[in-house]
This record gives sequence, structure tokens and C-alpha cells, in this order.
Amino acid sequence: AQSVTQLGSHVSVSEGALVLLRCNYSSSVPPYLFWYVQYPNQGLQLLLKYTSAATLVKGINGFEAEFKKSETSFHLTKPSAHMSDAAEYFCAVSGGRTSYDKVIFGPGTSLSVIP
Amino acid sequence: GAVVSQHPSRVICKSGTSVKIECRSLDFQATTMFWYRQFPKQSLMLMATSNEGSKATYEQGVEKDKFLINHASLTLSTLTVTSAHPEDSSFYICSARDRAGGRYEQFFGPGTRLTVL
Repeated sequence: AQSVTQLGSHVSVSEGALVLLRCNYSSSVPPYLFWYVQYPNQGLQLLLKYTSAATLVKGINGFEAEFKKSETSFHLTKPSAHMSDAAEYFCAVSGGRTSYDKVIFGPGTSLSVIP
Repeated sequence: GAVVSQHPSRVICKSGTSVKIECRSLDFQATTMFWYRQFPKQSLMLMATSNEGSKATYEQGVEKDKFLINHASLTLSTLTVTSAHPEDSSFYICSARDRAGGRYEQFFGPGTRLTVL
């Protein structure tokens, strides 16, 4: 079984500051991990994914995440926040081995960017 | 990238009526589709896993007789909310997994906003 926790339901950063969104996972099998972004009243957009290749994953819009097995973490970072980054961010985990593996989402973190 | 569409994008209905939501994979075949429900300010909760040509698998606590799922082809799954009530008002999102080998990603539809009066 898999589960995801995201520390901090709301994060606020200044424009140009570092963005750090935390994600910890639990998985009984080697996990596949994802970060999604959701803008108000819209669907999900994939930012990046970890599928057992490189532990440092680079995604779209300048985001990246590092898989740390020893810490069971997959934190999302961006060096410099932009106003357009304000949105809801979801970390997700799956076993990923078959077509039937479910993707389990964390509770989400709402990111605010202060001008 | 792979595209998943949902129809309608928004629906308002009266209490007691049934509503059908379609989820289509436009440029790939999806052996498996997933249905999620998202209440305001909350995360996505998996409702059911829809497998082409077989019965859907529902998550614990989801009424299969209320949320009817049909996955009749490799590109279409439908969710029917039967006898809808105001508490069923939510954002329903589907996703589809590409059946091509080595794909680990689910592609999400844009969501359907259901409001039950």
C-alpha cells in the first residue's frame, strides 16, 4: 500500500525566493513519485516524475525534486518563485508496475507568492 | 503529449436526476481509466478503477450502485451519478493510463464540475 504526506497545507514565499514543498511517502514496493500542479477550477498538470532512474528529477517551469530513499522524501524545489507559480501542488505515489496500479495523492499544498 | 478530454466540463442538475460524465483518451488507447472526486480545498480521492471490458473496482466507501462506471472501449469511460443529491456536488476528474509498454504516467482530464441543486 502507498500513502503520501505533505508537510504544510499552505506555504507562502516572496517573489524571487526559494520554493520548497515537502513530500514524504510510504510504499511497500519501490515507488514511482509525481508532482502535479492545479490551478483554480482546472485539472492537473504534471510537473515532474520519478520512475527509478536519476534521483534528481527536473521538471517543467524550473521545478525539480530529489528522491531520497533513506528519508522517504521527494521534496519539490524551485530556486526563484514567480507570481504564476501560485497554485495547489500535489505529491503522488504509485507502484507503477502494471496498468492497474493506483496513484495516491497527498493532501496538497497551496502555494502563495507575495510580490 | 497524450490528451484526455471530459464532457461536460460543467453541469448543473436537480436533485434526484442522473448525470453522465464522459472521459476520452484522444490519441492513445487506455486499458485502465481512473475516476477521482475532489471537494473544495481538498485533495483528489480515488473513487474507482475502470478496466476496459470488465467491471470497475471501487474504493472503500464508494457506492457502486450510485456511481456507475462503464469502460466500453479503449478510449472511453463513463461515470453516471445516479439520483444525484447536493452532497454529490464536486469536481470529478478522470485519468487514463497509456497501454503502451513502459508508460508510468496517468494523463488527467480537465475535470467536470457537478452542481446538484
